Amino acid sequence: NAGVTQTPKFRVLKTGQSMTLLCAQDMNHEYMYWYRQDPGMGLRLIHYSVGEGTTAKGEVPDGYNVSRLKKQNFLLGLESAAPSQTSVYFCASRKGGSGNTIYFGEGSWLTVV
Amino acid sequence: EDKVVQSPLSLVVHEGDTVTLNCSYEVTNFRSLLWYKQEKKAPTFLFMLTSSGIEKKSGRLSSILDKKELFSILNITATQTGDSAIYLCLNAGGTSYGKLTFGQGTILTVHP
Repeated sequence: NAGVTQTPKFRVLKTGQSMTLLCAQDMNHEYMYWYRQDPGMGLRLIHYSVGEGTTAKGEVPDGYNVSRLKKQNFLLGLESAAPSQTSVYFCASRKGGSGNTIYFGEGSWLTVV
Repeated sequence: EDKVVQSPLSLVVHEGDTVTLNCSYEVTNFRSLLWYKQEKKAPTFLFMLTSSGIEKKSGRLSSILDKKELFSILNITATQTGDSAIYLCLNAGGTSYGKLTFGQGTILTVHP
């Protein structure tokens, strides 16, 4: 029972390169989230999804795209990486409805040089 | 716009001290408020609060919600060095269904 798994855990990119972060959960959760965490900024929501095939923008969506083709997977794409996207990325998921706790992945450390 | 504001942003104490962390919110369609502790990696769950005035307790940690004044507090008594972490407040609700809004976090450092 893996919970929420993020891959890769560490990556260094050159400016302008593209990459995809994968989040997979095996708990049959409806809602999934991508956050970035920067020093002194807390966790800021990039995009989220309330179900398979649906996505919505969070607080800081620019420069990122997402897809939720399968319920268990939520992909975060960087089409043209920029140094400002150097951050730690966390994926999270939870069951639909109110009153449910959120489960986090272990984080993905991304550096853009 | 939904807002969650934590204070203080950082706090340095000595072992044995008691600390109170604050989380205030302005969120439409409030559903629940959650507290998480983050050490080196992913945040770990502490409490979920949905009703006003009911204290949740776990060992030396306790938390309470005031839905009239729109805030929550997290208390840690007899702090230990292992309590050093970022404490995150999270509001589930808001104008967009399913959205989760975090506060900036409080960095707690406990010295021996």
